[in-house]
Amino acid sequence: AQTVTQSQPEMSVQEAETVTLSCTYDTSESDYYLFWYKQPPSRQMILVIRQEAYKQQNATENRFSVNFQKAAKSFSLKISDSQLGDAAMYFCAYRSANQGGSEKLVFGKGTKLTVNP
Amino acid sequence: NAGVMQNPRHLVRRRGQEARLRCSPMKGHSHVYWYRQLPEEGLKFMVYLQKENIIDESGMPKERFSAEFPKEGPSILRIQQVVRGDSAAYFCASSYRDSNLYGYTFGSGTRLTVV
Repeated sequence: AQTVTQSQPEMSVQEAETVTLSCTYDTSESDYYLFWYKQPPSRQMILVIRQEAYKQQNATENRFSVNFQKAAKSFSLKISDSQLGDAAMYFCAYRSANQGGSEKLVFGKGTKLTVNP
Repeated sequence: NAGVMQNPRHLVRRRGQEARLRCSPMKGHSHVYWYRQLPEEGLKFMVYLQKENIIDESGMPKERFSAEFPKEGPSILRIQQVVRGDSAAYFCASSYRDSNLYGYTFGSGTRLTVV
């Protein structure tokens, strides 16, 4: 079974600075998707960024980018120019891409990000 | 276009009562997924449904929990004879046909408290 590990229960960053959240995963599959979700106090799960494992290029969405290291099974999230609104729980998630495979997302336990003014 | 609607937002039940959680997927979405989030934990998959079919229920507890997604109306997650350990946030997500291409949209969850 696949597992996702987030080793940083909490992180903090100064406003306008850069922070990196870590995520590692374990799988025997070669084709899969990786995600970062943001959960603010409202509890809404918001997709931040998504990476297809077959793509070597790291995904980027505005101030959010990932460092995807497939061989190391590592998928870190970098937030540049941090803003107060970035404060939230961040969850890393894995999903199989195999045909006939499960549609379920496997989540890590999350990292609580605090942004200091 | 309204997002995924879950109700109620908060639900309090006494031990032994039944809890019914509702999820209306986004318009045009025919796939529904239920997840449970315990305190200080990530979300855990429970069940995946399409209209009138359960596709994957590998994450559902064997007893007391059931889910349905009828041809008409919302998806329902039912928990019978609730216990304190059922207290959690329950999230629904929906997707359009193939979530590989279209991804999921999550609702805001229902927080169930068992007293």
